[in-house]
Amino acid sequence: AAGVIQSPRHLIKEKRETATLKCYPIPRHDTVYWYQQGPGQDPQFLISFYEKMQSDKGSIPDRFSAQQFSDYHSELNMSSLELGDSALYFCASSPGSGTGGGTQYFGPGTRLLVL
Amino acid sequence: AQSVTQPDIHITVSEGASLELRCNYSYGATPYLFWYVQSPGQGLQLLLKYFSGDTLVQGIKGFEAEFKRSQSSFNLRKPSVHWSDAAEYFCAVVQGKAAGNKLTFGGGTRVLVKP
Repeated sequence: AAGVIQSPRHLIKEKRETATLKCYPIPRHDTVYWYQQGPGQDPQFLISFYEKMQSDKGSIPDRFSAQQFSDYHSELNMSSLELGDSALYFCASSPGSGTGGGTQYFGPGTRLLVL
Repeated sequence: AQSVTQPDIHITVSEGASLELRCNYSYGATPYLFWYVQSPGQGLQLLLKYFSGDTLVQGIKGFEAEFKRSQSSFNLRKPSVHWSDAAEYFCAVVQGKAAGNKLTFGGGTRVLVKP
């Protein structure tokens, strides 16, 4: 079965640089979520989109922005990177409604290292 | 605000022995509950979920979980652990099944399996 695809899988950036992470949801999933997982931490919710509109927002820094496109893929843009942004970034997708609604399926993550 | 507590940070179990991971939640209504497993450096894999109905739910890899409303618990169990079960396990809750609602995770329990 198709899964959530994230690219790139690994990314190394310098401080103050920008990064763009991409997420391709499971086919027919219209909802995308972004989470950040620091070393030894549980995943923390950043932001979600349903039908290309922002649905919920968590502790996402103002330096970060995200959007969902017409084909339902999503991009997380991170600017003015800081050392503390080094983390594993997960994307998840879910069906927007029906019996599967609310069940989030995660991608493999993008490991970001800021030097 | 909803919260999830996993009291055990680490659990060591012998291969073939039974395993139980504890999860308690704090939420005003019946939440939707999930267990995910994460192998080192990997994404989060859904083990099982509870939305409503039978309070004992079966998942993949031989895992099951029991929802107990009176104890606000959703403990995960496996009768006989395999070495491949060594991983980190996260309990999570979502507020309703509406699209875009965030998952709130517990702190995770790391399971070590002794030969």
